[in-house]
Amino acid sequence: DSGVTQTPKHLITATGQRVTLRCSPRSGDLSVYWYQQSLDQGLQFLIQYYNGEERAKGNILERFSAQQFPDLHSELNLSSLELGDSALYFCASSVGQGTGYTFGSGTRLTVV
Amino acid sequence: AQKITQTQPGMFVQEKEAVTLDCTYDTSDQSYGLFWYKQPSSGEMIFLIYQGSYDEQNATEGRYSLNFQKARKSANLVISASQLGDSAMYFCAMSPRGATSGTYKYIFGTGTRLKVLA
Repeated sequence: DSGVTQTPKHLITATGQRVTLRCSPRSGDLSVYWYQQSLDQGLQFLIQYYNGEERAKGNILERFSAQQFPDLHSELNLSSLELGDSALYFCASSVGQGTGYTFGSGTRLTVV
Repeated sequence: AQKITQTQPGMFVQEKEAVTLDCTYDTSDQSYGLFWYKQPSSGEMIFLIYQGSYDEQNATEGRYSLNFQKARKSANLVISASQLGDSAMYFCAMSPRGATSGTYKYIFGTGTRLKVLA
């Protein structure tokens, strides 16, 4: 157990639907990062939150949004889902650069 | 543009032998971090090793070492005494310094799939 908890582990949903992915960071980590891993795009940075505030944004679609709550857990909301959104979504947390990220086990999203 | 290049899509190595996975990077930053992660078939991302751009010594963690050649912009991962459990996808990543503290987004390479043969 890495200490970063992601739920659910698997999600199958239909096109056009909306889903919420949840992440609880490792105890003491203030930063949460979201990544998308797809076969054609590899690992892509989506967004970072630090202590409740959005800190950096990557290749995140407008249909996607995220937030970090006061208890530091984070949610990634994906709406108007398309087949191409099928991917493994990772959450990671960190306290500083030297130790590297700690990744959660990921949520595998399948859009049918 | 900042970029990580892993030119070996797949590698084979005999059990108990050493293997080197290549990684080159491109950045104009003076301060950055380099990381290697392992992704087994189960999908989780496991942190292996870190090298800071100002670190003079190559990083080592158990059977993993990072061959850092700053002038050549390379950060190759060396796995010694390969084990069957080392079979996995390996990703090289770079973390440029963010404009504000606490911003450590990573840029990942495309990965190298390593297969250890018995």
